[in-house]
Amino acid sequence: EAGVTQFPSHSVIEKGQTVTLRCDPISGHDNLYWYRRVMGKEIKFLLHFVKESKQDESGMPNNRFLAERTGGTYSTLKVQPAELEDSGVYFCASSQGRGEAFFGQGTRLTVV
Amino acid sequence: SQQGEEDPQALSIQEGENATMNCSYKTSINNLQWYRQNSGRGLVHLILIRSNEREKHSGRLRVTLDTSKKSSSLLITASRAADTASYFCATVPSGYALNFGKGTSLLVTP
Repeated sequence: EAGVTQFPSHSVIEKGQTVTLRCDPISGHDNLYWYRRVMGKEIKFLLHFVKESKQDESGMPNNRFLAERTGGTYSTLKVQPAELEDSGVYFCASSQGRGEAFFGQGTRLTVV
Repeated sequence: SQQGEEDPQALSIQEGENATMNCSYKTSINNLQWYRQNSGRGLVHLILIRSNEREKHSGRLRVTLDTSKKSSSLLITASRAADTASYFCATVPSGYALNFGKGTSLLVTP
């Protein structure tokens, strides 16, 4: 069974540009999450989808971040325009319920 | 707000020794989970302990939970070089979102 996959694994963009991260959850997992780890800090929750609906987006830092999950399958996280402080590793995870969450390998975003 | 906070921040031991990591949190929880992250890789779920459980085992892992002290510990017995990684505790206060600490960096030397 395929795990959670994220694309790309690395992205280097200039300040002001747009970047779109993609996450493919485990098939059948209704719950999809985005997390972010900024260098030297803890992993922080960004938002939670249940199928295609945003259940909790309390962790989204500002309106430069837009997450979608059309059709309740894969999800995208777009940053527009990117700022230097957006650099970090973005993790996606999926779960069936409240138990174990399966994480992807992460996308390392560097904004220069 | 940060929930889980691991202690120590870094731990260096030799193969065969036991490693103990602690986690403290601030509010009531539904469950607490431990994850491992190898360098440059994703997070791997290790074990979940529910708020009504006090101890749980999985292979060489032993997790305890003390809800009165709002703390948990992860014990890795007979450590191996392959256990070298960062270990995170994560709490689920309510809902589904995981609140992570900054992690403990474990180095196991041969």
